[in-house]
Amino acid sequence: SAVISQKPSRDICQRGTSLTIQCQVDSQVTMMFWYRQQPGQSLTLIATANQGSEATYESGFVIDKFPISRPNLTFSTLTVSNMSPEDSSIYLCSVSRGGLYEQYFGPGTRLTVT
Amino acid sequence: GNSVTQMEGPVTLSEEAFLTINCTYTATGYPSLFWYVQYPGEGLQLLLKATKADDKGSNKGFEATYRKETTSFHLEKGSVQVSDSAVYFCALRVDAGGTSYGKLTFGQGTILTVHP
Repeated sequence: SAVISQKPSRDICQRGTSLTIQCQVDSQVTMMFWYRQQPGQSLTLIATANQGSEATYESGFVIDKFPISRPNLTFSTLTVSNMSPEDSSIYLCSVSRGGLYEQYFGPGTRLTVT
Repeated sequence: GNSVTQMEGPVTLSEEAFLTINCTYTATGYPSLFWYVQYPGEGLQLLLKATKADDKGSNKGFEATYRKETTSFHLEKGSVQVSDSAVYFCALRVDAGGTSYGKLTFGQGTILTVHP
């Protein structure tokens, strides 16, 4: 298994600002994923972040809005840029040792944009 | 594309009742199937999984069987407890190569509330 921490756990931000969310895992992992869970809805994959390569974004998500860094095998950040109230969601980080391995999820970051 | 459909919730049961949460899927390739659970205030935890047709995943009294002929992976438990109150997500992962490799596709989630 893997122990994943996210910072911050929650935040309230003003529209037009940016927030960077950190994801730290206690062991080296190949794949890291960022998801969004909007209120009352399911999880939607934003992007896949593999160390040493550019993040791969899903349809509807762009790098300018959600820039991602993956500097090493235990850490990643997701920035939510130029926020609007529609960005109010829970953002979750997950990790996997490879495509056929289990994904483990962090506790999430609850973001409210006012 | 890949998609997962779960039964509409919320589901409210009395303790010791039988639980079924339906899940059907559409996938290209060879999916593995999962049930995740999200307890109040916590992150997602893997509850059980099945990686090929006719496999049965089980954990904590929950079971689900991978039915390829009906493209289903229904979650069942014979006797629910108050502590089972949570949100349950069905998910699939396509295990062949391609752009979807390693990615999870989730259903919309089902809220389960169990009363004493």
